[in-house]
Amino acid sequence: DAKTTQPTSMDCAEGRAANLPCNHSTISGNEYVYWYRQIHSQGPQYIIHGLKNNETNEMASLIITEDRKSSTLILPHATLRDTAVYYCIVRFHLQGAQKLVFGQGTRLTINP
Amino acid sequence: DGGITQSPKYLFRKEGQNVTLSCEQNLNHDAMYWYRQDPGQGLRLIYYSQIVNDFQKGDIAEGYSVSREKKESFPLTVTSAQKNPTAFYLCASRRTESNEKLCFGSGTQLSVV
Repeated sequence: DAKTTQPTSMDCAEGRAANLPCNHSTISGNEYVYWYRQIHSQGPQYIIHGLKNNETNEMASLIITEDRKSSTLILPHATLRDTAVYYCIVRFHLQGAQKLVFGQGTRLTINP
Repeated sequence: DGGITQSPKYLFRKEGQNVTLSCEQNLNHDAMYWYRQDPGQGLRLIYYSQIVNDFQKGDIAEGYSVSREKKESFPLTVTSAQKNPTAFYLCASRRTESNEKLCFGSGTQLSVV
């Protein structure tokens, strides 16, 4: 799986949009971009995933650049409950277990 | 996620003792995973399994062992060979037929006493 690079930490004001970047310059054509988040001492929670097109669901939006070498997760109106560590991973859309690797993630702090 | 149950939530191990962490899922998922998380760090893959009676080492398998005798269960044994076992352990599962997300359990905090 391609390696991802994320900033170690970010801050955002409550009510503003939080934009979390992820670089995946070695991504291949068949690899999807996934985002998860982890609130302290809990299991990670799935947020969103995409391949080429931008995606939106009830939690967030995912913007993938045209060359697919980077992406941005957008939380449109951040709340204090969005404070968490956010992980960006890439993996193939294949059958099988796959070795899924999580990096260090970005620690997002939402400030009142 | 409600479909994956890890137990116990807290576990204490004495020096030189083996302990087993339980992970059960009722989601009919084929693939199961074990991750270790140290304070302030990301998740590191210990073992993963695609089907019953088959499993592969992850990045930090030394000092750990697993079994997959049933599709629903993927217990992790932390052996005495693991010299620094204190960590938060997370189990996950997913379907393998399609591009399915990972579902995580709530984790087990293991401490050495």
